[in-house]
Amino acid sequence: NAGVTQTPKFQVLKTGQSMTLQCAQDMNHEYMSWYRQDPGMGLRLIHYSVGAGITDQGEVPNGYNVSRSTTEDFPLRLLSAAPSQTSVYFCASSYRTGSSYNEQFFGPGTRLTVL
Amino acid sequence: EDQVTQSPEALRLQEGESSSLNCSYTVSGLRGLFWYRQDPGKGPEFLFTLYSAGEEKEKERLKATLTKKESFLHITAPKPEDSATYLCAVQSGGYQKVTFGTGTKLQVIP
Repeated sequence: NAGVTQTPKFQVLKTGQSMTLQCAQDMNHEYMSWYRQDPGMGLRLIHYSVGAGITDQGEVPNGYNVSRSTTEDFPLRLLSAAPSQTSVYFCASSYRTGSSYNEQFFGPGTRLTVL
Repeated sequence: EDQVTQSPEALRLQEGESSSLNCSYTVSGLRGLFWYRQDPGKGPEFLFTLYSAGEEKEKERLKATLTKKESFLHITAPKPEDSATYLCAVQSGGYQKVTFGTGTKLQVIP
């Protein structure tokens, strides 16, 4: 299994440009999420999905869109990039066992710089 | 609002020098407490899940414990390859209710 994969690994954008960060998992996990990681801030949830066709906002959703048309894929779209979106982005997936929540499996990350 | 505080921010140990990392939390109904390891330039990697006070889990040189207010990650006789940032996270509700701490950066010197 490849686990959680993310592309690209690095990206430089100009202010106002749009782009899509790709995320895929091959573990048949129902739950997928996007986080951003900034120095001194910890991981913060942007958007999440509990299954195909179902998405919702996390802690810091402004400026980002998501969709989930399949179980495997969960792309994150930046609508109009701003310097404040310079960060490292992680995609993660997880599963639930009965009433227990399990660990998240993280991708390798995308380092985004907005000039 | 759920809060997670990790201490110290950074820790430098000599190889073989045991120590503990702390994760203090305030949540409204703990569903699970998670420890992750993160190497530079990589995504977090899962270590342990603890669900209730008094629970303990071990893996090689690492042992995680949980009380009603905090969790400890004990590192026994660390090696240089244990150098990483260790993240603590708590889950208090649905999948969206996961709060991460800012991590402890551990450096083990040969």
